[in-house]
Amino acid sequence: DAGITQSPRHKVTETGTPVTLRCHQTENHRYMYWYRQDPGHGLRLIHYSYGVKDTDKGEVSDGYSVSRSKTEDFLLTLESATSSQTSVYFCAISEGQGGNIQYFGAGTRLSVL
Amino acid sequence: GDSVTQMEGPVTLSEEAFLTINCTYTATGYPSLFWYVQYPGEGLQLLLKATKADDKGSNKGFEATYRKETTSFHLEKGSVQVSDSAVYFCALSELDTGGFKTIFGAGTRLFVKA
Repeated sequence: DAGITQSPRHKVTETGTPVTLRCHQTENHRYMYWYRQDPGHGLRLIHYSYGVKDTDKGEVSDGYSVSRSKTEDFLLTLESATSSQTSVYFCAISEGQGGNIQYFGAGTRLSVL
Repeated sequence: GDSVTQMEGPVTLSEEAFLTINCTYTATGYPSLFWYVQYPGEGLQLLLKATKADDKGSNKGFEATYRKETTSFHLEKGSVQVSDSAVYFCALSELDTGGFKTIFGAGTRLFVKA
C-alpha cells in the first residue's frame, strides 16, 4: 500500500469554525491532491499541488485553502466551515508517471453541524 | 472542458453473470484512461489503465479498451463474484498547465448476489 495517512479520520465541527485536514505521504511523490466525495458527484477536485509551495485550484475550490511547505505534507483548510462542506475528503498522490496513476488515502469524514 | 460520463447505478447482478459498465469521455487532448474501484470504507484504488488508443487494460478478470473513435472505455468482466461488489469509477488524466489533472465519473455501484 502507498504510504498515505490522512488525519483526522473523522471530525464533527460546528458551522463557522476553522478546520484543517492533513495528508502525509512517505512516497516522495511530486503531486498531491485533495478531493471531496459526495453522492451523485463522484470525486471532485478541490486543490492540488505539483511541488513544494506550488498549488492550484480545482473545480470546487471556493471556501478551501491549501498549503504544502514540505514534500510529504499537504494541508487542506476550511477557513469557516459551512454545512455544505459536510463530505468525505480524500487525499491522493501521484508521480505523474504511467499516465498519472493516483494513490488514495483512506479518507476523512467531516460533518459540519 | 474535459468530462467523464458513466452509467448510473446501482447495477445488481447474480454471481457468474457478465458485467459491462459503460464509460464515455470528452477531452481536448490525448488523455490516459483509468478504472478505479472503491470498497466500503476505503479510498479508491487503481483497477486498470490504458494510456493510448486501442490499448487494453486488464486486471483481476476485468478488461477495458481505449476506443478513441467512440471516446469510450467500457469496463467488462466475464463472470462476476460477490467480492466484486464495490463502486467503480471511470477517470481520465491529462497534462495541464499546472501538471496532471484527473477527472472522475460519478461512480457506478455494483451489487453481486450469491
